[in-house]
Amino acid sequence: EAGVAQSPRYKIIEKRQSVAFWCNPISGHATLYWYQQILGQGPKLLIQFQNNGVVDDSQLPKDRFSAERLKGVDSTLKIQPAKLEDSAVYLCASSSLRTGGRDAYEQYFGPGTRLTVT
Amino acid sequence: TQLLEQSPQFLSIQEGENLTVYCNSSSVFSSLQWYRQEPGEGPVLLVTVVTGGEVKKLKRLTFQFGDARKDSSLHITAAQPGDTGLYLCAGAPGNQFYFGTGTSLTVIP
Repeated sequence: EAGVAQSPRYKIIEKRQSVAFWCNPISGHATLYWYQQILGQGPKLLIQFQNNGVVDDSQLPKDRFSAERLKGVDSTLKIQPAKLEDSAVYLCASSSLRTGGRDAYEQYFGPGTRLTVT
Repeated sequence: TQLLEQSPQFLSIQEGENLTVYCNSSSVFSSLQWYRQEPGEGPVLLVTVVTGGEVKKLKRLTFQFGDARKDSSLHITAAQPGDTGLYLCAGAPGNQFYFGTGTSLTVIP
């Protein structure tokens, strides 16, 4: 079974520029997550999709971050304009969310995109 | 304030030693997961605990879920260099999913 794919793996941009990240989840997984991970810290959830609908985006800085999941499969996360504090690893994960039980919220992660804003 | 606090934040031990990592919260979780993340990679799920008081063993790793389902621990016996990584607990007290603050473990050969 293919894992979660992300691209690019690395990106360096100047502040105020725009950047976009792409994620292809595991086939059949209805739920897709985007996380921001600052070096040495735990990931912070930015947005969660169930199929192509947004379940939670309460921690997404909506003045500069946007995300979409067209057709309920691939997803893109965009930052416009980028700030220095956006330097982080952006992780995409997917899960076959079930209502309750042991398998709820078990997530499979991609390798991440390391963003450096200069 | 983080919803899931882990301790210690950093741990450096010699190969063969034992260690315990703690994950604490004031919220009740229906389940908690433990992940390990290696540099340059995404987190990988190790285990999910569901029942209060549950103990799960995965080779040299022992996971315990607190009776009140607010805390969990990870114990590693006879640590090996391959255990080096960032250990993360995670769970969802409601609809939103949270990761813990993380414990960075280094096992020195």
